[in-house]
Amino acid sequence: GAVVSQHPSWVICKSGTSVKIECRSLDFQATTMFWYRQFPKQSLMLMATSNEGSKATYEQGVEKDKFLINHASLTLSTLTVTSAHPEDSSFYICSAAGTSGSLEQYFGPGTRLTVT
Amino acid sequence: KNQVEQSPQSLIILEGKNCTLQCNYTVSPFSNLRWYKQDTGRGPVSLTIMTFSENTKSNGRYTATLDADTKQSSLHITASQLSDSASYICVVSPISGGYNKLIFGAGTRLAVHP
Repeated sequence: GAVVSQHPSWVICKSGTSVKIECRSLDFQATTMFWYRQFPKQSLMLMATSNEGSKATYEQGVEKDKFLINHASLTLSTLTVTSAHPEDSSFYICSAAGTSGSLEQYFGPGTRLTVT
Repeated sequence: KNQVEQSPQSLIILEGKNCTLQCNYTVSPFSNLRWYKQDTGRGPVSLTIMTFSENTKSNGRYTATLDADTKQSSLHITASQLSDSASYICVVSPISGGYNKLIFGAGTRLAVHP
């Protein structure tokens, strides 16, 4: 099956700093990538949808200036959490959808962010 | 009110036993319904995807059913194994919002004990 990787798998940063998380589709081209956030024992919440070469579409309540998303190629999307605060500590998961209208959405292994 | 509700919230079964997880949804109209398995600290892995016109879909020991009239789906796990311990998430994709828009249930935490 298709593989999606994330890097790093976990990161600890100090309050006020920025953190970049990478999401890569390893063996297929992803026209669309999604970024989710998951708090403990809660469901995944969609943060934004990004299409290669265009601006990301953010869900209501998600600050686009705080969560910067770049989808520069068909295999890479990045999420930068700017000026991180402890309340941004969460599990961030990306997913990628292939081309040709496939229903399948492949999820990465997630990145655990802890802001101290 | 959540658009996708799952029950039970958690479940403990003995290895080798069968179990059935439930999903009720209000999303309508919808394009497809999915079941994912999520291990702790990992991303979800797809088990089944059913379009609105399908009634059942199997993947090994996992069998999903869908009743679009009652807006219910179930995931049946046969002959459970210790590795089945995980969260199982029901996900519905509404027709509006694009084919990749997903609405997640809160999941059922399954623990399989020896």
